[in-house]
Amino acid sequence: GQSLEQPSEVTAVEGAIVQINCTYQTSGFYGLSWYQQHDGGAPTFLSYNALDGLEETGRFSSFLSRSDSYGYLLLQELQMKDSASYFCAVRSMIYNQGGKLIFGQGTELSVKP
Amino acid sequence: DAMVIQNPRYQVTQFGKPVTLSCSQTLNHNVMYWYQQKSSQAPKLLFHYYDKDFNNEADTPDNFQSRRPNTSFCFLDIRSPGLGDAAMYLCATSESGGASDTQYFGPGTRLTVL
Repeated sequence: GQSLEQPSEVTAVEGAIVQINCTYQTSGFYGLSWYQQHDGGAPTFLSYNALDGLEETGRFSSFLSRSDSYGYLLLQELQMKDSASYFCAVRSMIYNQGGKLIFGQGTELSVKP
Repeated sequence: DAMVIQNPRYQVTQFGKPVTLSCSQTLNHNVMYWYQQKSSQAPKLLFHYYDKDFNNEADTPDNFQSRRPNTSFCFLDIRSPGLGDAAMYLCATSESGGASDTQYFGPGTRLTVL
């Protein structure tokens, strides 16, 4: 089967650093993506890790360890606008036409003043 | 700006009354996806088109159908909506569906079933 686990909710204060973990179990793994979704909005792509290591994009960084089937999203210098749901998603190529994203249940991040 | 557009943003239908949701894209991407997202849940893939080839997820109910008349447009048809079909429906595209591709999502259509 395929499954992803991430915490359901995280709370942090403005200016702080927060890490959202994601563990996965899947076949045909081709990388781990992170998406941000504000309430009522569409998921927006944040980052993608195909290989082990850290990818940095501004205040956001994402890490992957394929041997541990584990990744995380790191948000630095938190701002109120970062309050949203964050989904990890595995890219799977279990058939020969088109990849598919399998989403975790999402982590709701609340940033407090 | 190139984008994924969904119409309408909000759709109300009656129990059992067929409804069609539409998605268009100006990205000229080969792959188009339809997801269902219920409140506080992850998006769940219903099906996708790789060009004209339709790929249905094994657990997608027969009540859900899709059409892609050309590269730019894709439709989701719900033949007999039930109360359990009330959800946000998200359309997404990717350039080639490859492993390194990013999926770009539209703003979604929120479906209410009365």
